[in-house]
Amino acid sequence: EDKVVQSPLSLVVHEGDTVTLNCSYEVTNFRSLLWYKQEKKAPTFLFMLTSSGIEKKSGRLSSILDKKELFSILNITATQTGDSAVYLCAVGPSGGGADGLTFGKGTHLIIQP
Amino acid sequence: DSGVTQTPKHLITATGQRVTLRCSPRSGDLSVYWYQQSLDQGLQFLIQYYNGEERAKGNILERFSAQQFPDLHSELNLSSLELGDSALYFCASSVGTRLQETQYFGPGTRLLVL
Repeated sequence: EDKVVQSPLSLVVHEGDTVTLNCSYEVTNFRSLLWYKQEKKAPTFLFMLTSSGIEKKSGRLSSILDKKELFSILNITATQTGDSAVYLCAVGPSGGGADGLTFGKGTHLIIQP
Repeated sequence: DSGVTQTPKHLITATGQRVTLRCSPRSGDLSVYWYQQSLDQGLQFLIQYYNGEERAKGNILERFSAQQFPDLHSELNLSSLELGDSALYFCASSVGTRLQETQYFGPGTRLLVL
C-alpha cells in the first residue's frame, strides 16, 4: 500500500522565520510528487516534482525531491501570516493503475505575527 | 478560483439516506477525480473518470458510485449513509489522464450525516 508521511504534523513559528516541511513516501510506481496548500477550502497546487535533485521555486517557496532517499522538502523563507495553512504532500499514482493521488496527513503551519 | 465547481457547498442529512454531489470540471479537462477528506483519514482518492469512462478506483466503498456525463460533469452518489461518511468531498479535474498534468481542486462539498 502506498504511503506518504509528513512531518512535523504541526508547526508554529514567528513571521519572518524560515520553515522546512518534510515528506517521505513509499509508492509502488512513482511518477510525481506534488505539494498543495490548503487553507479553509480546497487544496491549491504549489509544485509538481518528477525528477530528482531539481529545485522548483516560486517566490519564497521552494521544493526539492530526492528519489533515491524517497523524500521531498518544502521550504518557505521570510514567512508571512498568509502562509498559515495546511501543507499537503501527495504522490502518484495511487496504485492499481489509478491516476489518483496518495496524500499525507499534512503539516499544519501557523505563522504568528 | 480553480475553475472547478461543486454543488452543493454544504449538505446535512440523516443516516440511511442517499445524496448526490455534483462536479463540473474546468473547461477542456477530460478527467474528473473524487476525493474524500475526513479528520482521521486525511485526503483519500475515491475514483477517477476520463471522458465518460471509469478509469480507476481507489478507496471507494460499495455504497458509493459515480458517473461522468457526456458534457463531462460528474456526480458522486452516496447511499445508505452512515455517521462515518461525514466528510469534505472534493472533485478535481485535469486535462488528460497522466499525472504530469496537475489536478485542480473544486471548493468541496461538506457532508454532515446525523
